Amino acid sequence: NAGVTQTPKFRVLKTGQSMTLLCAQDMNHEYMYWYRQDPGMGLRLIHYSVGEGTTAKGEVPDGYNVSRLKKQNFLLGLESAAPSQTSVYFCASRPILAGGSTDTQYFGPGTRLTVL
Amino acid sequence: AQSVSQHNHHVILSEAASLELGCNYSYGGTVNLFWYVQYPGQHLQLLLKYFSGDPLVKGIKGFEAEFIKSKFSFNLRKPSVQWSDTAEYFCAVINRDDKIIFGKGTRLHILP
Repeated sequence: NAGVTQTPKFRVLKTGQSMTLLCAQDMNHEYMYWYRQDPGMGLRLIHYSVGEGTTAKGEVPDGYNVSRLKKQNFLLGLESAAPSQTSVYFCASRPILAGGSTDTQYFGPGTRLTVL
Repeated sequence: AQSVSQHNHHVILSEAASLELGCNYSYGGTVNLFWYVQYPGQHLQLLLKYFSGDPLVKGIKGFEAEFIKSKFSFNLRKPSVQWSDTAEYFCAVINRDDKIIFGKGTRLHILP
């Protein structure tokens, strides 16, 4: 298993440009999450998904959109990038276990995005 | 809104010293609690987790944490730290909406 993978690893954008970050997991997990990590702020949840075709807002959703068309993929889009979106973005996935209990998140390696 | 507080933002210790990092959460219901570690340039890795049962949880690399429900706390401990424990540590809690809320992290620096 590759686990959770993220594409690309690094990207530099100009203000106003758009881009999509791809997160893929091969563990058949139901839940997927997008976080941004900024110094002194910890990880803040942008959007998450509890299953294919569903998405929900997290703590800091403004300026981002997401889609979960396939169970294994969770896309994060920036329609018009701003310097405030310079950050490291982490994707994570989590399974739902038998009986509905929950388990740990598994994190991807991160995408470092710089917006000039 | 549910929150997670880590009181120590930056901790500096010498090797072999004992470690305790504080974590408090605000949610009053059933919680699932985690400690993650992030080594420089790497992604988050799970150290330990608490879902139910024994409130003293043992994790990898000699770390342990104690869930004290009455204090809404889940402090991380290690009896004797090593230089390789230099990293950033995050406490996290799953709330009833299945969101995982992270604290702001504690940066630990171990002096050789």
